[in-house]
Amino acid sequence: GESVGLHLPTLSVQEGDNSIINCAYSNSASDYFIWYKQESGKGPQFIIDIRSNMDKRQGQRVTVLLNKTVKHLSLQIAATQPGDSAVYFCAEITSNTGNQFYFGTGTSLTVIP
Amino acid sequence: DGGITQSPKYLFRKEGQNVTLSCEQNLNHDAMYWYRQDPGQGLRLIYYSQIVNDFQKGDIAEGYSVSREKKESFPLTVTSAQKNPTAFYLCASSIGRGKYEQYFGPGTRLTVT
Repeated sequence: GESVGLHLPTLSVQEGDNSIINCAYSNSASDYFIWYKQESGKGPQFIIDIRSNMDKRQGQRVTVLLNKTVKHLSLQIAATQPGDSAVYFCAEITSNTGNQFYFGTGTSLTVIP
Repeated sequence: DGGITQSPKYLFRKEGQNVTLSCEQNLNHDAMYWYRQDPGQGLRLIYYSQIVNDFQKGDIAEGYSVSREKKESFPLTVTSAQKNPTAFYLCASSIGRGKYEQYFGPGTRLTVT
């Protein structure tokens, strides 16, 4: 089966610092990836996505990096704010197997004021 | 407002009873999904539907049933056959037709005692 995992279950950062959350995936055929943010008791919110034909994509204060060689995905959050405290999931899909995403277990980010 | 709604937010049932969780979307999305979330685990796919009147089992479909009679609605029934039904249930939708980004509802926390 698919395996999507996160290196660190928890991460604490000082407000204003940059955060980096990592994710490993096992299926080299995966061609689309999403990062989600989930606040306590709520549904996941889309943050940013990236396709396998790219190695970097930037959004507002967030950057996703994809390294297909080592099957690794990271989410960088610039100038981390208290409102960024949440659990972050990566998800991957292999489009030729249908519309089933596989989700990592999540990293809990805590921003220290 | 466009979005996905799930109701109720909290649901309590006695063991042995079937219970139906509601999921409605007004995004005109073709595809809808049900996930289960347990502490320390990633989202696990229960059922998904890519089009009205059609649905497929996910990884953990046993003890659950769904219907997709309308594009907007994808209710999930947790039956008495589900061995460990207490969990946080998330519904999602996507445009379909090769567009994979999934939008999530706020979730329903089901407690069975």
